[in-house]
Amino acid sequence: AQRVTQPEKLLSVFKGAPVELKCNYSYSGSPELFWYVQYSRQRLQLLLRHISRESIKGFTADLNKGETSFHLKKPFAQEEDSAMYYCALGASGTYKYIFGTGTRLKVLA
Amino acid sequence: NAGVTQTPKFRILKIGQSMTLQCTQDMNHNYMYWYRQDPGMGLKLIYYSVGAGITDKGEVPNGYNVSRSTTEDFPLRLELAAPSQTSVYFCASRDSSYNEQFFGPGTRLTVL
Repeated sequence: AQRVTQPEKLLSVFKGAPVELKCNYSYSGSPELFWYVQYSRQRLQLLLRHISRESIKGFTADLNKGETSFHLKKPFAQEEDSAMYYCALGASGTYKYIFGTGTRLKVLA
Repeated sequence: NAGVTQTPKFRILKIGQSMTLQCTQDMNHNYMYWYRQDPGMGLKLIYYSVGAGITDKGEVPNGYNVSRSTTEDFPLRLELAAPSQTSVYFCASRDSSYNEQFFGPGTRLTVL
């Protein structure tokens, strides 16, 4: 079955500390993985997709097919990173996406 | 470009009432989606559409109906509202050649 797991509902870190938001997936084919972010009082927006292999706002994520993971990382957290983060899987050959339950990141001053 | 717009922003319904959540996009996207977001549960796909006249069920379609008569509009209909449908509803769209979904601001629905 296709599934996306984000084990942490809430992650609190201090400003300047490293951040890692975990995402594991279950999918038998070739997945396409995404990270979406929802800042307070704003709509969901795309942060990263694994195909792009880019860094956005200092965040990176590497697809590890062996561990079926797509963890989101940032070396130095900033207060403006506080938001809700969702990992999503796009199943190849379909138009559907499966979202994880989300992790709320709080960056403390 | 307004992107994806949804109306209303908030609504309170009584059990058994019906309503339509409106969704419009001005990006000429073929694919459109309806999700519901329950606390601690992430986003669940209700229905999706790959073009005008074509719709299909997602994970949680029961109690909902959709139509897609134009590329721009993808309304979601609740016929007999139930408390279990209390949720935040998001509409999204994407281009056929690029996988990024663009989301609307959401509709917060409470059924009492």
